[in-house]
Amino acid sequence: AQTVTQSQPEMSVQEAETVTLSCTYDTSESDYYLFWYKQPPSRQMILVIRQEAYKQQNATENRFSVNFQKAAKSFSLKISDSQLGDAAMYFCAYRGLQGAQKLVFGQGTRLTINP
Amino acid sequence: DGGITQSPKYLFRKEGQNVTLSCEQNLNHDAMYWYRQDPGQGLRLIYYSQIVNDFQKGDIAEGYSVSREKKESFPLTVTSAQKNPTAFYLCASTPGGGQGTNEQFFGPGTRLTVL
Repeated sequence: AQTVTQSQPEMSVQEAETVTLSCTYDTSESDYYLFWYKQPPSRQMILVIRQEAYKQQNATENRFSVNFQKAAKSFSLKISDSQLGDAAMYFCAYRGLQGAQKLVFGQGTRLTINP
Repeated sequence: DGGITQSPKYLFRKEGQNVTLSCEQNLNHDAMYWYRQDPGQGLRLIYYSQIVNDFQKGDIAEGYSVSREKKESFPLTVTSAQKNPTAFYLCASTPGGGQGTNEQFFGPGTRLTVL
């Protein structure tokens, strides 16, 4: 079974600085998807960024980018120019291509932005 | 606007009672999912349905039941057999069948508290 591990329960960063959240996963599949979701205090889950494993190029969405290392099974999220609105729980998630498109989530990282 | 609605937002249950959480989507998605979130933890899959009139157990299905009589609706019943039901419950959907962006879209959640 696939597993996702986020080793940083909490992180903090100064406003306007850059922070990187870590995620590792375990799978025997060769093709899959990886996601980062954001859960602000409202508790609404919001997709931040996605990465297809077959793509070598790292995904980027404005201030958010990933460092996808397939061989190392690592998928970190970099947030540049951190803003107060970035404060939230961040979840890394894995989805295989076979079966029911189930998401496997990590335990989450709580990100605090210091003004 | 297309989206997923969950009701109620807050739900209180006495021990020994069954309660049903509503999830409705107007995104024309085939697949729907129920997740449970406990404090400081990631999301765990309870049940999922890839098509009307069919559903499968997830990782923590004991004490829960679902139905999928309509494409738009996937209600979750928390039965008295669920020993620790106090949690935040999230419903999600995705186009299914390898369609679209493979992203799961989430509802706003229901907070269930057992008194």
